[in-house]
Amino acid sequence: AQKITQTQPGMFVQEKEAVTLDCTYDTSDPSYGLFWYKQPSSGEMIFLIYQGSYDQQNATEGRYSLNFQKARKSANLVISASQLGDSAMYFCALYNTDKLIFGTGTRLQVFP
Amino acid sequence: NAGVTQTPKFRVLKTGQSMTLLCAQDMNHEYMYWYRQDPGMGLRLIHYSVGEGTTAKGEVPDGYNVSRLKKQNFLLGLESAAPSQTSVYFCASSYSTWQGTHEQFFGPGTRLTVL
Repeated sequence: AQKITQTQPGMFVQEKEAVTLDCTYDTSDPSYGLFWYKQPSSGEMIFLIYQGSYDQQNATEGRYSLNFQKARKSANLVISASQLGDSAMYFCALYNTDKLIFGTGTRLQVFP
Repeated sequence: NAGVTQTPKFRVLKTGQSMTLLCAQDMNHEYMYWYRQDPGMGLRLIHYSVGEGTTAKGEVPDGYNVSRLKKQNFLLGLESAAPSQTSVYFCASSYSTWQGTHEQFFGPGTRLTVL
């Protein structure tokens, strides 16, 4: 069975600091993808970053990087230099066999 | 390009009423999805479609039906609404598996309340 787990319901970080949001997954399929989405209070889903299971290097997109540890089945999101606008819900998702499975999310709050 | 649009944005139903949610995309995507989002539950897949004329069940399909008669449209129907179907519904679309990273593009959501 495929499963995605986010164990941090909420996180706090001070502005300009880095923060890591945890995500672990479980799948028996060797071909899969991992996504992170951001959902601000306005409700829309915003794509942040993607990592394929065969990618040799960790994905990076601006201030976002994905710490992919395949053997540990973890795909943590690192946000560097946090900004007040980063306050939102963050969802990790596992893509496999045409479907995305979402975790329950982590609420990140950035304070000045 | 409008991306993914959803109609309506808000709706209130009485138990037993029926309704259809419309999702439209103008990106020529093969794949389309319907999710529901409940507090503390993340997004759960209801139904999805990998091409025009095809549909498949997701994680929570009971009480819903879907149709994909045109490539750009994906309809979600509730035949007899129940209070348990009160939720925010998101539609999403993506390229097919062989075309790339499968990033899903989401619509703005429909907030449905069933009394």
